[in-house]
Amino acid sequence: SQKIEQNSEALNIQEGKTATLTCNYTNYSPAYLQWYRQDPGRGPVFLLLIRENEKEKRKERLKVTFDTTLKQSLFHITASQPADSATYLCALDGSNTGKLIFGQGTTLQVKP
Amino acid sequence: GAGVSQSPSNKVTEKGKDVELRCDPISGHTALYWYRQSLGQGLEFLIYFQGNSAPDKSGLPSDRFSAERTGGSVSTLTIQRTQQEDSAVYLCASSHGAFATNEKLFFGSGTQLSVL
Repeated sequence: SQKIEQNSEALNIQEGKTATLTCNYTNYSPAYLQWYRQDPGRGPVFLLLIRENEKEKRKERLKVTFDTTLKQSLFHITASQPADSATYLCALDGSNTGKLIFGQGTTLQVKP
Repeated sequence: GAGVSQSPSNKVTEKGKDVELRCDPISGHTALYWYRQSLGQGLEFLIYFQGNSAPDKSGLPSDRFSAERTGGSVSTLTIQRTQQEDSAVYLCASSHGAFATNEKLFFGSGTQLSVL
């Protein structure tokens, strides 16, 4: 069956460290993958999109990698800050129709 | 508008009643999505409208759920004969492209539905 899996346990790290979140998928061959941030009581907000022919993409302190062989994307936040505390969701279009399917999200807690 | 607008922000209803949830997408966006998010869970896809194409209803959990999009803009998600397990946050999102692959989604703040 088709699945998108993210770390179900919350990730707790110290301020200033690098946070690494994982998104694994099975039985999909997505042309791209997206990452979103969700704060409590709010809708998700788009962060980054990475295409299948891109190994890595960066935006400020954020870095995303996409390994189509491992069927995995890694999301890194360098020099993490307490304000980075949120739930991070990965999403992909498994049918290449624009229909985005989301993982269950990983909650990040950055402690000062 | 400035963003995706959903109403009401909160809805409390009694089991067995029908509810309607409204979504106003960003002006000019041709794709519109509905997702459901239960407490502490990820986003569950419900339905996807893309331009004038027939909607992808593959995520609707039962025939009590239906959605319309009038004039390619406003959408209404209707839940008939609500059940307690329907309690969740219902999120609407829109995206720009005429063929909306690799387009980012813009989400509303959701409607918190509570079925008593």
